[in-house]
Amino acid sequence: GQQLNQSPQSMFIQEGEDVSMNCTSSSIFNTWLWYKQDPGEGPVLLIALYKAGELTSNGRLTAQFGITRKDSFLNISASIPSDVGIYFCAGLPIKAAGNKLTFGGGTRVLVKP
Amino acid sequence: KAGVTQTPRYLIKTRGQQVTLSCSPISGHRSVSWYQQTPGQGLQFLFEYFSETQRNKGNFPGRFSGRQFSNSRSEMNVSTLELGDSALYLCASSLAKGNTIYFGEGSWLTVV
Repeated sequence: GQQLNQSPQSMFIQEGEDVSMNCTSSSIFNTWLWYKQDPGEGPVLLIALYKAGELTSNGRLTAQFGITRKDSFLNISASIPSDVGIYFCAGLPIKAAGNKLTFGGGTRVLVKP
Repeated sequence: KAGVTQTPRYLIKTRGQQVTLSCSPISGHRSVSWYQQTPGQGLQFLFEYFSETQRNKGNFPGRFSGRQFSNSRSEMNVSTLELGDSALYLCASSLAKGNTIYFGEGSWLTVV
């Protein structure tokens, strides 16, 4: 089935660092959503993007809807320990019937030892 | 405003049994989707219901089924459970097509 390529697969952060991750696809998307999932919990919505080129912030998080509609980026500024978790991108393809989300493989954010 | 509520949170079943999971969407949301999450396959779409009608279906065998009630609450059922059905089952709700999609905390199913 259709897939989103999310990178990096994992990353180590040090408190105060800025981090970024992205998702790409060969298909065009109407909507991009970014979620964070903590162990044993469901994904929590961080940012929703609906227009190509849209740049949206939520506190220390900033996400952008790529102008080609085939990619999206999430940046976390001044990371803190509670930023640890798995971040997923998800999109609704332009020809999606209903709300069938396609997910990236996730970016696992860990704390540098 | 209450979020998406899933019950039960945890359950253990034996191979061959069946299981029913329940989801109450956010008040006013009419679209309810179900996803299966496993370490190996990630998040995979099962099906979506809107106004009591199945609008989308993923690539899962017929042992996986669902339904939606007039109050938008949804249930999914898995019959003849297999070990590989062990997963986190997530329910998501939305107002309509293209609106923001919110997830519940999930139901952890372990098949032994």
